[in-house]
Amino acid sequence: EAEVAQSPRYKITEKSQAVAFWCDPISGHATLYWYRQILGQGPELLVQFQDESVVDDSQLPKDRFSAERLKGVDSTLKIQPAELGDSAMYLCASSPWTGGDPNTFGPGTRLTVL
Amino acid sequence: QKEVEQDPGPLSVPEGAIVSLNCTYSNSAFQYFMWYRQYSRKGPELLMYTYSSGNKEDGRFTAQVDKSSKYISLFIRDSQPSDSATYLCAMSATGNQFYFGTGTSLTVIP
Repeated sequence: EAEVAQSPRYKITEKSQAVAFWCDPISGHATLYWYRQILGQGPELLVQFQDESVVDDSQLPKDRFSAERLKGVDSTLKIQPAELGDSAMYLCASSPWTGGDPNTFGPGTRLTVL
Repeated sequence: QKEVEQDPGPLSVPEGAIVSLNCTYSNSAFQYFMWYRQYSRKGPELLMYTYSSGNKEDGRFTAQVDKSSKYISLFIRDSQPSDSATYLCAMSATGNQFYFGTGTSLTVIP
C-alpha cells in the first residue's frame, strides 16, 4: 500500500535554531499539504501545494516558516528560527487532486523546541 | 466560533459497547465529511469518507451526516481494545481546504 513518507520522525532542537522537515507524497498525488498539530488539538493547515505551486499559505507564519515543492514531487518545510511555541507534530498529507479526495497522512515529525 | 466543534472526551467504554462520536459545524457549505483515527504519536488514518448527506457503513463503523442539523456522527459497533485512539472529524466545502475537529480520545476497556 502506498504511503506518505516523512523524515525525520523526531527532532529536538534549541530555540533560535533552524529545522527542516521532508515529505515524499504518494506517487502521482498532485496535492500536498503541511499541517501542524499541537497536542490535544486537530491538525491545522500551514500550506497547500498543487504540483509545484502554492495554493494556500494563509496560515503559514511567513516570518519564520518557508515551504517548497520545487519539482512538484517531494517537499521541504523549514523553520528559522525555531521558537518554543513551535513544539508540535508536523504532518504531511497528499491527495490525487483538490476535488474533495481525502488526505492521506504521513507518520508526522514530532518537533520539540527547548 | 470554530468551524468544527468536537467534544474532546475522554470517552471510556467497556469492550463490546457501541460508541457514538459526534461533531457539529457552522458552515452550511461543507459537503465532504471524513473521520480519521489517530493512534498515539502516529499520523491520522482515514476511516470513513462521505460526500453530502446520508449514511455509510464499513464493517463495524457507520458514518452519518445530517446537513440540516450540521451534525455528523461515527458509530463503532462491538468496540475492541484496538479501537482505543483519538478520532478526528474533518470536513470541507470545496474539497480544497479541510477543517478538523480537536479529536475525541476513546479508550475501550477489555
